[in-house]
Amino acid sequence: QVQLVQSGAEVKKPGASVKVSCKTSGYTFTDYYLHWARQAPGQGLEWMAWINPNSSATNYAQKFQGRVTVTRDTSISTSYMEISSLRFDDTAVYYCASLAPSGPGVWGQGTLVTVSS
Amino acid sequence: DIQLTQSPSSLSASVGDRVTITCRASQDIRSGLGWFQQKPGKAPKRLIYDASRLQSGVPSRFSGSASGTEFTLTITSLQPEDFATYYCLQYSNSPFTFGPGTKVDIK
Repeated sequence: QVQLVQSGAEVKKPGASVKVSCKTSGYTFTDYYLHWARQAPGQGLEWMAWINPNSSATNYAQKFQGRVTVTRDTSISTSYMEISSLRFDDTAVYYCASLAPSGPGVWGQGTLVTVSS
Repeated sequence: DIQLTQSPSSLSASVGDRVTITCRASQDIRSGLGWFQQKPGKAPKRLIYDASRLQSGVPSRFSGSASGTEFTLTITSLQPEDFATYYCLQYSNSPFTFGPGTKVDIK
């Protein structure tokens, strides 16, 4: 079955970077865009970016432009989301998801990133 | 950017009740809207895509409809496992945007 499995929780200091991975299985990785979203504690969902795994083209929400980088490795059907210059308000659960209407509509289990001094 | 508003922000209902949640878009998004259910500590789950198409495996008590820029999620007979927070998502234009959510809890 279709699965998106993310890397484990991270604790980082302000100003550091973090890289979260999302390994897909059960479908052809290059068939559907992969999206990243986050959810701060007690808050709603916030869309961050998508990547076209076929071409590596990306699109970012303006607030994340320049500080977030999404990449992929087609050889292992995995996408990565890196955030630099972490701030306290980046503390959140980060999700990868297949959101295309024609796609499987599956989400990863989430990765908690905690920014703490 | 396209803004989504949801109403109500929360509601209390009983098992067996009919529940309706509305999502309004700030501009025309055609049918580019999905509905997601999220339970505490869990990833969201897609219920509806393209405004009215039921995700495979989702019970038929869930349905979606659209009229212009107003979209509706209806649960015809609320079940105990349906108590959760519901979000709409527009994917008609980048950046994609989520609605603020509607929390459905037990009356």
